[in-house]
Amino acid sequence: GGIITQTPKFLIGQEGQKLTLKCQQNFNHDTMYWYRQDSGKGLRLIYYSITENDLQKGDLSEGYDASREKKSSFSLTVTSAQKNEMAVFLCASSHRTGLNYAEQFFGPGTRLTVL
Amino acid sequence: GDKVKQSPSALSLQEGTNSALRCNFSIAATTVQWFLQNPRGSLINLFYLVPGTKENGRLKSTFNSKESYSTLHIRDAQLEDSGTYFCAAEAAYQGGRALIFGTGTTVSVSP
Repeated sequence: GGIITQTPKFLIGQEGQKLTLKCQQNFNHDTMYWYRQDSGKGLRLIYYSITENDLQKGDLSEGYDASREKKSSFSLTVTSAQKNEMAVFLCASSHRTGLNYAEQFFGPGTRLTVL
Repeated sequence: GDKVKQSPSALSLQEGTNSALRCNFSIAATTVQWFLQNPRGSLINLFYLVPGTKENGRLKSTFNSKESYSTLHIRDAQLEDSGTYFCAAEAAYQGGRALIFGTGTTVSVSP
C-alpha cells in the first residue's frame, strides 16, 4: 500500500496571487495527476506527468503551471488566482503499463478559496 | 456532450434496500473505476474494472465495453453508503490516455 499527501489542506489567496499546491506519493508510481473539482461536479484533468520532468496538458491547463521535480512529487501552481474562485484540487497517481494506466489513487485534496 | 453520463444524478434509499447506478460512455473505454466521495471529500476506490464483473461485500460492478456502459449495484444499503459515487473511464486522450469522470450520483441512505 501507500499514501498520497497534499499540502496545504486549505489555501486562501488574494485575487492575482500566484499559489502553489504540493503533492507527494510513496506508492512508487510512475504517473501523477492534478484534477480540479468544482462544487457538485465531477473531476477535470489539469495536468499529468508520466515520469520525472515530464508534463502533459489536460483540458484545464490554461491558468496553471505544473512541475514534476522527482518521481514522488508533483506541484501545481495557480498562476493568477481569480476573484471568488472556490474549488478542490485533487492529486492522484498510478502505475503506467505500456500505453495504458493502471488504477488511480487519490490524495485528500486542497481546498482553495480566493477572496 | 458528456463523454461519461451517470444516472441517476441523485438517489434516496431506505436502509436494507437495493439499487443500481449506471454510467454510459460515448468514448471507447478500456477500463472503468468507481469511487465513493465521502462527506469530507476523500475519494475512496471501490472498483477497478476491465470488461467483466467484480464483487466486494454488498457492492457489485459490471463493465460491458461492447455496449459501452458500467453499473454499480448496492445491496442491503447501509447509512455509511451515503455519499457521491463517481465512475471514470480510461480512454484515449491527446495522444495518450486519461480518466474521464462522470458528474456523479449523490446517494442518501435513511433509516
